Amino acid sequence: AQSVSQHNHHVILSEAASLELGCNYSYGGTVNLFWYVQYPGQHLQLLLKYFSGDPLVKGIKGFEAEFIKSKFSFNLRKPSVQWSDTAEYFCAVHNQGGKLIFGQGTELSVKP
Amino acid sequence: DAGITQSPRHKVTETGTPVTLRCHQTENHRYMYWYRQDPGHGLRLIHYSYGVKDTDKGEVSDGYSVSRSKTEDFLLTLESATSSQTSVYFCAISERAANNSPLHFGNGTRLTVT
Repeated sequence: AQSVSQHNHHVILSEAASLELGCNYSYGGTVNLFWYVQYPGQHLQLLLKYFSGDPLVKGIKGFEAEFIKSKFSFNLRKPSVQWSDTAEYFCAVHNQGGKLIFGQGTELSVKP
Repeated sequence: DAGITQSPRHKVTETGTPVTLRCHQTENHRYMYWYRQDPGHGLRLIHYSYGVKDTDKGEVSDGYSVSRSKTEDFLLTLESATSSQTSVYFCAISERAANNSPLHFGNGTRLTVT
């Protein structure tokens, strides 16, 4: 069965530190990839998505993600985090003909 | 934000009682989804709908049923609530299938089964 793994469950950073959150998936075919963010007390919002083309995808609020097909990975990055980035981040993967599967989520805490 | 309203926002119910959660959208999107969110599990798909009266099961559909009699409403029913169904339930909508279109989420319903 298709699965999505986010290895970091809770990440704590100071402001201005660089961020990288890992996401790996198990499906070997064509996939569409997403990162969603959930700020405290709010619903999930789309951060960025990859369907095809340039494997380096830029999203909102300075986030980017890189699709590395050979590694089945879609890691999320931000060069310099802010306190307002404190949230839970979810990777999601959709294979052709299947359903959208979410990872377990990574909670990011940014210390001011 | 997409026009998605979930009701109720909070509910406490007893084991064995039926519970219905409602999702209402004003976007006229074809696809609607019900997810549950639990710590350590992320979001798991319960059921989804790809049109009026067209629904299908997700990963964790046991103990749940859905109905979609109108484009704008997608109901989730817990036939006989159990403590394991204590969770936060999110409704989502998308204009096209989830592989081609991002999901827009409602604000969630927090359900506690005692």
